[in-house]
Amino acid sequence: AQSVTQPDIHITVSEGASLELRCNYSYGATPYLFWYVQSPGQGLQLLLKYFSGDTLVQGIKGFEAEFKRSQSSFNLRKPSVHWSDAAEYFCAVAHPAGNNRKLIWGLGTSLAVNP
Amino acid sequence: NAGVTQTPKFRVLKTGQSMTLLCAQDMNHEYMYWYRQDPGMGLRLIHYSVGEGTTAKGEVPDGYNVSRLKKQNFLLGLESAAPSQTSVYFCASKTERGYNEQFFGPGTRLTVL
Repeated sequence: AQSVTQPDIHITVSEGASLELRCNYSYGATPYLFWYVQSPGQGLQLLLKYFSGDTLVQGIKGFEAEFKRSQSSFNLRKPSVHWSDAAEYFCAVAHPAGNNRKLIWGLGTSLAVNP
Repeated sequence: NAGVTQTPKFRVLKTGQSMTLLCAQDMNHEYMYWYRQDPGMGLRLIHYSVGEGTTAKGEVPDGYNVSRLKKQNFLLGLESAAPSQTSVYFCASKTERGYNEQFFGPGTRLTVL
């Protein structure tokens, strides 16, 4: 069955430290890949997406992600975390066929940032 | 553009009461979605629509009904609310182009007593 795994339920980092959030997927083909962020009490906002081309994609707020086909992974990174990055992060995938009608979601990683 | 808006933002119901959540988008998107979000369970798709007048079930449709009479609106109804439906509900929309993302509303927090 198709699935998305975010192995880390909760991560705490210090402000200024680097960050990597993991996302692994189980899919028959290379899917479309998305990272969303949800600040407390807010809706979800797209950070970045990958559907083809360069496997290193840049997003908003200084985030980037790298698609690694051999590892079925799409990990999210940021070189220096800010206190405002404390939020819930969701990885999602969709099949390229069918116009990406439905997303398969990971359960999310909660990020806390220590001052 | 307002993007995706949801009405109401908060609601408290008693068991057995009914209500309708309204989602509106002004981006002329074909696809619209209703999700629920519960602690530790991520986002779960309730129902979705790929166009005006069409709806389809998601992974947790029981106890909910939807309607898409106008392209810009997607309504989620609870006919007889149960405590298990206490959740945060999110609406989203997207174009029909495959590589485009879903845009989310701010959410509705529903408590069923």
